[in-house]
Amino acid sequence: AQTVTQSQPEMSVQEAETVTLSCTYDTSESDYYLFWYKQPPSRQMILVIRQEAYKQQNATENRFSVNFQKAAKSFSLKISDSQLGDAAMYFCAYQQGAQKLVFGQGTRLTINP
Amino acid sequence: EADIYQTPRYLVIGTGKKITLECSQTMGHDKMYWYQQDPGMELHLIHYSYGVNSTEKGDLSSESTVSRIRTEHFPLTLESARPSHTSQYLCASSEYKGTALSNNEQFFGPGTRLTVL
Repeated sequence: AQTVTQSQPEMSVQEAETVTLSCTYDTSESDYYLFWYKQPPSRQMILVIRQEAYKQQNATENRFSVNFQKAAKSFSLKISDSQLGDAAMYFCAYQQGAQKLVFGQGTRLTINP
Repeated sequence: EADIYQTPRYLVIGTGKKITLECSQTMGHDKMYWYQQDPGMELHLIHYSYGVNSTEKGDLSSESTVSRIRTEHFPLTLESARPSHTSQYLCASSEYKGTALSNNEQFFGPGTRLTVL
């Protein structure tokens, strides 16, 4: 079974600095999707960024980018120019085909002003 | 505006009561999900549905039941609530494109925070 591991339960960063959240996963498949979701306190979970495994180019969405290392099964999220609104739980997730999403344990990100 | 809704947002109820958590989406999605999440913890899938009259149990065993009579509606019911059911329940939906690899982004509702006394 596929598993997703986020080894950092909590992270903190100074406002305007850069932070990287780690995620590793285990799969024997070659085609799949990877996602980072953001869950702000008491607010709706939203998609931050997605990566298709067959694409070598790392996905980027404004200040958010990923470092996708397929061979190492690693999918880290980099947040540049951190803002107070970035404070949230971040969940890494894996999906293969039409299967269910498999979520990691989450990383709580704190932004220090 | 297309969205996914959950009611109530907060519910405090006594042990033994029957409760139904509502979830509706206006995005025309076939696939819907229920997750259970303790505060600040990971999500556990408890139920999902591929479409009308389809319901499946998720990875985490749950005493709750679900129904899918209409595409847009996926309610979750607890026949007899217990303190161990205290948690947050998140509903989500996504397009269903069969078994082909596709971008099945899930859209989440705001959640229902349930407290059973």
